[in-house]
Amino acid sequence: ETGVTQTPRHLVMGMTNKKSLKCEQHLGHNAMYWYKQSAKKPLELMFVYNFKEQTENNSVPSRFSPECPNSSHLFLHLHTLQPEDSALYLCASSQAEGVSQPQHFGDGTRLSIL
Amino acid sequence: QKEVEQDPGPLSVPEGAIVSLNCTYSNSAFQYFMWYRQYSRKGPELLMYTYSSGNKEDGRFTAQVDKSSKYISLFIRDSQPSDSATYLCAMSATGNQFYFGTGTSLTVIP
Repeated sequence: ETGVTQTPRHLVMGMTNKKSLKCEQHLGHNAMYWYKQSAKKPLELMFVYNFKEQTENNSVPSRFSPECPNSSHLFLHLHTLQPEDSALYLCASSQAEGVSQPQHFGDGTRLSIL
Repeated sequence: QKEVEQDPGPLSVPEGAIVSLNCTYSNSAFQYFMWYRQYSRKGPELLMYTYSSGNKEDGRFTAQVDKSSKYISLFIRDSQPSDSATYLCAMSATGNQFYFGTGTSLTVIP
Protein backbone atom coordinates (compact mmCIF):
# COMPACT_ATOMS: atom_id res chain seq x y z
CA GLU A 1 0.00 0.00 0.00
CA THR A 2 1.26 3.46 -0.86
CA GLY A 3 1.65 6.10 1.86
CA VAL A 4 -1.65 7.99 1.84
CA THR A 5 -4.67 6.53 0.04
CA GLN A 6 -7.87 8.42 -0.70
CA THR A 7 -11.16 7.04 -1.91
CA PRO A 8 -13.07 7.61 -4.04
CA ARG A 9 -10.85 9.32 -6.59
CA HIS A 10 -13.83 11.01 -8.23
CA LEU A 11 -17.24 11.89 -6.83
CA VAL A 12 -20.21 13.57 -8.46
CA MET A 13 -23.09 14.44 -6.19
CA GLY A 14 -26.17 16.54 -6.07
CA MET A 15 -26.61 19.36 -3.62
CA THR A 16 -28.96 17.32 -1.43
CA ASN A 17 -26.88 14.14 -1.28
CA LYS A 18 -24.82 12.85 1.61
CA LYS A 19 -21.46 11.24 0.90
CA SER A 20 -18.17 10.60 2.65
CA LEU A 21 -14.55 10.84 1.62
CA LYS A 22 -12.06 8.40 3.10
CA CYS A 23 -8.36 8.73 3.77
CA GLU A 24 -6.00 6.06 5.08
CA GLN A 25 -2.31 6.46 5.80
CA HIS A 26 0.22 3.63 6.07
CA LEU A 27 3.14 5.73 7.31
CA GLY A 28 2.67 5.37 11.05
CA HIS A 29 1.93 9.08 11.34
CA ASN A 30 -0.07 10.67 14.12
CA ALA A 31 -1.38 13.83 12.48
CA MET A 32 -3.82 14.00 9.57
CA TYR A 33 -5.13 16.93 7.57
CA TRP A 34 -7.87 17.83 5.10
CA TYR A 35 -7.14 20.45 2.43
CA LYS A 36 -9.25 21.94 -0.36
CA GLN A 37 -7.50 22.69 -3.65
CA SER A 38 -9.28 24.93 -6.15
CA ALA A 39 -7.95 26.15 -9.48
CA LYS A 40 -5.61 29.13 -9.27
CA LYS A 41 -5.89 29.26 -5.46
CA PRO A 42 -3.51 28.10 -2.75
CA LEU A 43 -4.27 24.96 -0.81
CA GLU A 44 -6.77 25.77 1.93
CA LEU A 45 -6.32 23.96 5.23
CA MET A 46 -9.68 22.70 6.50
CA PHE A 47 -9.08 20.43 9.48
CA VAL A 48 -6.21 19.03 11.52
CA TYR A 49 -6.26 15.96 13.73
CA ASN A 50 -3.40 15.08 16.06
CA PHE A 51 -3.57 11.71 17.82
CA LYS A 52 -7.27 11.50 16.83
CA GLU A 53 -8.11 14.86 18.42
CA GLN A 54 -9.21 17.76 16.26
CA THR A 55 -6.80 20.63 16.79
CA GLU A 56 -7.75 22.92 13.93
CA ASN A 57 -10.99 23.86 12.22
CA ASN A 58 -10.21 26.60 9.78
CA SER A 59 -13.66 28.22 9.75
CA VAL A 60 -15.05 25.47 7.59
CA PRO A 61 -18.85 25.45 6.96
CA SER A 62 -20.77 22.86 8.95
CA ARG A 63 -21.79 21.05 5.76
CA PHE A 64 -18.30 19.52 6.01
CA SER A 65 -17.96 17.19 8.99
CA PRO A 66 -14.66 15.43 9.71
CA GLU A 67 -14.19 12.20 11.63
CA CYS A 68 -10.98 10.58 12.82
CA PRO A 69 -11.61 7.19 14.44
CA ASN A 70 -7.88 6.41 14.76
CA SER A 71 -4.52 7.80 13.71
CA SER A 72 -4.61 5.92 10.41
CA HIS A 73 -8.05 6.87 9.14
CA LEU A 74 -9.74 10.17 8.39
CA PHE A 75 -13.15 10.82 6.91
CA LEU A 76 -14.86 13.89 5.55
CA HIS A 77 -18.64 13.66 5.63
CA LEU A 78 -20.44 15.85 3.13
CA HIS A 79 -24.06 17.02 3.09
CA THR A 80 -26.04 19.71 1.29
CA LEU A 81 -22.97 20.99 -0.50
CA GLN A 82 -22.91 24.02 -2.77
CA PRO A 83 -21.55 24.31 -6.33
CA GLU A 84 -18.59 26.34 -5.02
CA ASP A 85 -17.54 23.28 -3.02
CA SER A 86 -16.48 21.56 -6.25
CA ALA A 87 -12.72 21.09 -5.88
CA LEU A 88 -9.95 18.58 -5.25
CA TYR A 89 -9.97 17.46 -1.62
CA LEU A 90 -6.57 16.35 -0.40
CA CYS A 91 -5.70 14.38 2.69
CA ALA A 92 -2.23 14.63 4.20
CA SER A 93 -0.40 13.13 7.14
CA SER A 94 2.71 13.94 9.12
CA GLN A 95 4.66 12.30 11.92
CA ALA A 96 3.05 14.62 14.45
CA GLU A 97 1.49 18.01 14.59
CA GLY A 98 4.12 20.68 14.18
CA VAL A 99 6.12 22.29 11.46
CA SER A 100 9.32 20.32 11.94
CA GLN A 101 7.60 17.50 10.11
CA PRO A 102 6.69 17.77 6.42
CA GLN A 103 3.30 16.60 5.24
CA HIS A 104 2.71 13.74 2.83
CA PHE A 105 -0.33 13.94 0.57
CA GLY A 106 -2.72 11.50 -1.02
CA ASP A 107 -3.87 11.87 -4.63
CA GLY A 108 -7.13 13.51 -3.64
CA THR A 109 -10.81 13.14 -4.38
CA ARG A 110 -12.08 15.23 -7.28
CA LEU A 111 -15.52 16.40 -6.13
CA SER A 112 -18.12 17.84 -8.48
CA ILE A 113 -21.38 19.27 -7.18
CA LEU A 114 -24.24 19.36 -9.64
CA GLN B 1 -1.30 41.05 0.87
CA LYS B 2 -1.07 37.30 0.39
CA GLU B 3 1.15 35.36 2.75
CA VAL B 4 2.88 33.65 -0.16
CA GLU B 5 3.21 34.85 -3.73
CA GLN B 6 4.08 32.51 -6.57
CA ASP B 7 4.02 33.21 -10.29
CA PRO B 8 1.54 30.75 -11.79
CA GLY B 9 3.31 30.64 -15.14
CA PRO B 10 2.92 28.69 -17.29
CA LEU B 11 6.62 28.20 -17.79
CA SER B 12 7.85 26.34 -20.85
CA VAL B 13 11.51 25.37 -21.32
CA PRO B 14 13.48 23.07 -23.65
CA GLU B 15 14.85 19.80 -22.33
CA GLY B 16 18.20 20.26 -20.62
CA ALA B 17 17.54 23.84 -19.52
CA ILE B 18 18.02 25.11 -16.00
CA VAL B 19 14.68 26.00 -14.44
CA SER B 20 14.26 28.58 -11.70
CA LEU B 21 11.04 28.64 -9.68
CA ASN B 22 10.46 31.27 -7.04
CA CYS B 23 8.22 32.35 -4.20
CA THR B 24 8.14 35.46 -2.08
CA TYR B 25 6.52 35.81 1.29
CA SER B 26 5.57 38.49 3.75
CA ASN B 27 5.79 36.82 7.16
CA SER B 28 9.29 37.12 8.58
CA ALA B 29 8.44 34.40 11.13
CA PHE B 30 8.46 31.69 8.46
CA GLN B 31 11.38 29.35 9.04
CA TYR B 32 10.34 26.05 7.43
CA PHE B 33 10.20 25.93 3.64
CA MET B 34 9.03 23.19 1.33
CA TRP B 35 8.70 22.52 -2.36
CA TYR B 36 6.14 20.07 -3.68
CA ARG B 37 5.69 18.69 -7.18
CA GLN B 38 2.18 17.88 -8.35
CA TYR B 39 1.54 15.91 -11.49
CA SER B 40 -1.83 16.14 -13.20
CA ARG B 41 -4.48 14.11 -11.33
CA LYS B 42 -2.07 13.37 -8.47
CA GLY B 43 -1.46 14.77 -5.03
CA PRO B 44 1.50 17.01 -4.13
CA GLU B 45 4.75 15.11 -3.63
CA LEU B 46 7.36 16.50 -1.27
CA LEU B 47 10.55 17.42 -3.13
CA MET B 48 12.59 19.55 -0.76
CA TYR B 49 12.35 20.55 2.88
CA THR B 50 14.61 23.19 4.37
CA TYR B 51 14.94 25.05 7.62
CA SER B 52 15.94 28.69 7.86
CA SER B 53 18.29 30.16 5.26
CA GLY B 54 20.78 28.51 2.96
CA ASN B 55 20.92 25.95 0.20
CA LYS B 56 19.97 22.31 0.00
CA GLU B 57 20.79 20.06 -2.90
CA ASP B 58 19.23 16.75 -3.89
CA GLY B 59 20.27 15.37 -7.24
CA ARG B 60 19.21 17.80 -9.96
CA PHE B 61 17.22 19.92 -7.48
CA THR B 62 18.55 22.78 -5.37
CA ALA B 63 16.46 24.75 -2.90
CA GLN B 64 17.58 28.19 -1.78
CA VAL B 65 16.19 30.30 1.03
CA ASP B 66 17.00 33.98 1.49
CA LYS B 67 15.22 35.07 4.64
CA SER B 68 16.58 38.60 4.45
CA SER B 69 14.78 39.07 1.13
CA LYS B 70 11.85 36.78 2.02
CA TYR B 71 12.51 34.83 -1.16
CA ILE B 72 12.86 31.14 -1.87
CA SER B 73 13.87 29.38 -5.05
CA LEU B 74 13.93 25.91 -6.54
CA PHE B 75 16.43 25.21 -9.28
CA ILE B 76 16.13 22.21 -11.57
CA ARG B 77 19.26 21.34 -13.56
CA ASP B 78 19.21 19.37 -16.80
CA SER B 79 15.43 19.52 -16.89
CA GLN B 80 13.59 16.50 -18.28
CA PRO B 81 10.12 16.07 -19.79
CA SER B 82 9.26 14.08 -16.66
CA ASP B 83 9.75 17.30 -14.66
CA SER B 84 6.63 18.72 -16.33
CA ALA B 85 4.28 19.37 -13.43
CA THR B 86 2.99 22.08 -11.14
CA TYR B 87 5.43 23.12 -8.41
CA LEU B 88 4.07 24.37 -5.11
CA CYS B 89 6.02 26.23 -2.48
CA ALA B 90 4.92 26.03 1.14
CA MET B 91 6.15 27.58 4.34
CA SER B 92 5.40 27.85 8.01
CA ALA B 93 6.44 29.54 11.21
CA THR B 94 5.16 27.51 14.16
CA GLY B 95 2.01 25.50 14.77
CA ASN B 96 -0.07 23.66 12.22
CA GLN B 97 -0.56 26.29 9.60
CA PHE B 98 1.28 25.77 6.33
CA TYR B 99 0.95 28.52 3.74
CA PHE B 100 1.04 27.43 0.14
CA GLY B 101 1.67 29.28 -3.07
CA THR B 102 -0.75 28.89 -5.96
CA GLY B 103 1.74 26.77 -7.89
CA THR B 104 3.81 27.28 -11.04
CA SER B 105 2.98 25.13 -14.06
CA LEU B 106 6.13 23.88 -15.80
CA THR B 107 6.40 22.16 -19.18
CA VAL B 108 9.71 20.75 -20.38
CA ILE B 109 9.69 20.32 -24.13
CA PRO B 110 11.66 17.36 -25.57
